Amino acid sequence: DGGITQSPKYLFRKEGQNVTLSCEQNLNHDAMYWYRQDPGQGLRLIYYSQIVNDFQKGDIAEGYSVSREKKESFPLTVTSAQKNPTAFYLCASSTTGGDTEAFFGQGTRLTVV
Amino acid sequence: GENVEQHPSTLSVQEGDSAVIKCTYSDSASNYFPWYKQELGKRPQLIIDIRSNVGEKKDQRIAVTLNKTAKHFSLHITETQPEDSAVYFCAAYTGRRALTFGSGTRLQVQP
Repeated sequence: DGGITQSPKYLFRKEGQNVTLSCEQNLNHDAMYWYRQDPGQGLRLIYYSQIVNDFQKGDIAEGYSVSREKKESFPLTVTSAQKNPTAFYLCASSTTGGDTEAFFGQGTRLTVV
Repeated sequence: GENVEQHPSTLSVQEGDSAVIKCTYSDSASNYFPWYKQELGKRPQLIIDIRSNVGEKKDQRIAVTLNKTAKHFSLHITETQPEDSAVYFCAAYTGRRALTFGSGTRLQVQP
């Protein structure tokens, strides 16, 4: 079954902790993205990667880090430097750049407790 | 960078009526404009897209129009049904970076 999978679905983090959100795709897509979704603010770009071993900052990269060691995987780490991490995080992938259909994962809801 | 504004933020229509959602973009280099639908608790999914060399595109009850001169594009849904209730996002792509999304429109279709 092809698609893009995020895990976990729900994640709770204590203040001061780093947490890593997983994103895996088996669509053979080159490009992968992380977006943050807050009520009334749409989807804001955190990081994106157009090829393995390369990634670029988006609009709200501060307090986040990523890696792209494999084509299939694009994990996002929310560090303690992110002051307001409670949000819904969406991972997406597309065949090449942003001018092709983006397929989204089901999302991870992160809550700081 | 690109900036996409979307209006209205909420829209309520009666079943069978039409719904129109409008977006404006700032970067004249933008050349790809998709629309995504996100049902409650689900992932966003592409419903229609348009490229800058086309002025209008239609797929059954949905259509998108693009005015490059004015830098705005719109989603039109005709004969709305309760299953059209969702949040709709417009987006724009300049050829650099990734898609820039609008803030979303919550459409509610009243039976």
